[in-house]
Amino acid sequence: NAGVMQNPRHLVRRRGQEARLRCSPMKGHSHVYWYRQLPEEGLKFMVYLQKENIIDESGMPKERFSAEFPKEGPSILRIQQVVRGDSAAYFCASSPDPVRYGYTFGSGTRLTVV
Amino acid sequence: GQQLNQSPQSMFIQEGEDVSMNCTSSSIFNTWLWYKQDPGEGPVLLIALYKAGELTSNGRLTAQFGITRKDSFLNISASIPSDVGIYFCAGLSDKLIFGTGTRLQVFP
Repeated sequence: NAGVMQNPRHLVRRRGQEARLRCSPMKGHSHVYWYRQLPEEGLKFMVYLQKENIIDESGMPKERFSAEFPKEGPSILRIQQVVRGDSAAYFCASSPDPVRYGYTFGSGTRLTVV
Repeated sequence: GQQLNQSPQSMFIQEGEDVSMNCTSSSIFNTWLWYKQDPGEGPVLLIALYKAGELTSNGRLTAQFGITRKDSFLNISASIPSDVGIYFCAGLSDKLIFGTGTRLQVFP
């Protein structure tokens, strides 16, 4: 059973381009979470999704950022018109039942905006 | 909003020493988790605590969930070089809230 798979591991985008980050949760995990980590800081919650539904997006900027978790395929975090301040590590986590099992994290996507 | 503060911010210790780190919160959590993050990787779960006052061990690691449900500590005994990394506490309510992290360096 593979862990939480994120790709790409590293992504370089020029200012104004779009960034698409993918996350395949572990098999049987229907809860997906996205976090952002700036250098030397902790992980900050962005969004919580269950299949086809956004449950909590309170940590996600209102503009330029969107997330989805379709019925088929990976969860996608999309950042439009990237700016330098979007440079960070973005982590995805999944869980079958967060209260009983906590979250399992992927290795992250490191986004660099140049 | 909910905030978890960890102390110390960083620690430099010699191999074989014991380590203790703390986490305090302004809010009550029903579940506390301790994660370790290696450079360039995602956090890995070390210990989960579900009941106030609970003391749980995982090998050389021991963690306790405070009675008030607003704090927790993590102890590492007889540290080894591979213990190097950043240790995060996290409180679970409707989502996981992470602490500020304790960076551990172990010298041989």
